Amino acid sequence: KNQVEQSPQSLIILEGKNCTLQCNYTVSPFSNLRWYKQDTGRGPVSLTIMTFSENTKSNGRYTATLDADTKQSSLHITASQLSDSASYICVVSHLDSNYQLIWGAGTKLIIKP
Amino acid sequence: GAGVSQTPSNKVTEKGKYVELRCDPISGHTALYWYRQSLGQGPEFLIYFQGTGAADDSGLPNDRFFAVRPEGSVSTLKIQRTERGDSAMYLCASSPGTGANTEAFFGQGTRLTVV
Repeated sequence: KNQVEQSPQSLIILEGKNCTLQCNYTVSPFSNLRWYKQDTGRGPVSLTIMTFSENTKSNGRYTATLDADTKQSSLHITASQLSDSASYICVVSHLDSNYQLIWGAGTKLIIKP
Repeated sequence: GAGVSQTPSNKVTEKGKYVELRCDPISGHTALYWYRQSLGQGPEFLIYFQGTGAADDSGLPNDRFFAVRPEGSVSTLKIQRTERGDSAMYLCASSPGTGANTEAFFGQGTRLTVV
């Protein structure tokens, strides 16, 4: 079954600290993996998109890694800011239906001052 | 427009009523998607349009749900005989295509509450 699992479910860190969020998937064949940021009550906003041939991609203070062999991805946030408080969702698309994205449940990140 | 626009942002309706949710995609985007998101969960795929036609409606939960995109731009998600279980955030997204690295842009969503 095609699934995306994320850990931890929630995370609280102090402003200025770094953190890493994890994503494991079983989707096969795999097309691409995306990380989205979703503020409460808002639509998701794309952070990164990676195909199987890409190992890392950065977007400002966000760096995503991908290991297509172990089917794992991580999202590293550097020097966290209060505005980083949100849910971070890992999304994988299946090669046969690139539009039918398979979503993880997300990691709820809270940044405390 | 500058982004994907969804209206209304909030809708409260009584059980059994009919509702319409509207999505204005980014101009020129041929692909349009509807998702439903319950609290604490990731979005659930409902339907995908390529142009005017529904290329995949396999995610629609039952025949009370229907969506149209008559001119290949604005789309309307229609829910008949609403039930309390239909309460969720309904998200619309659009993209210029469906290639491997094509980014999908999401609207702010419509929060539907059935009382």
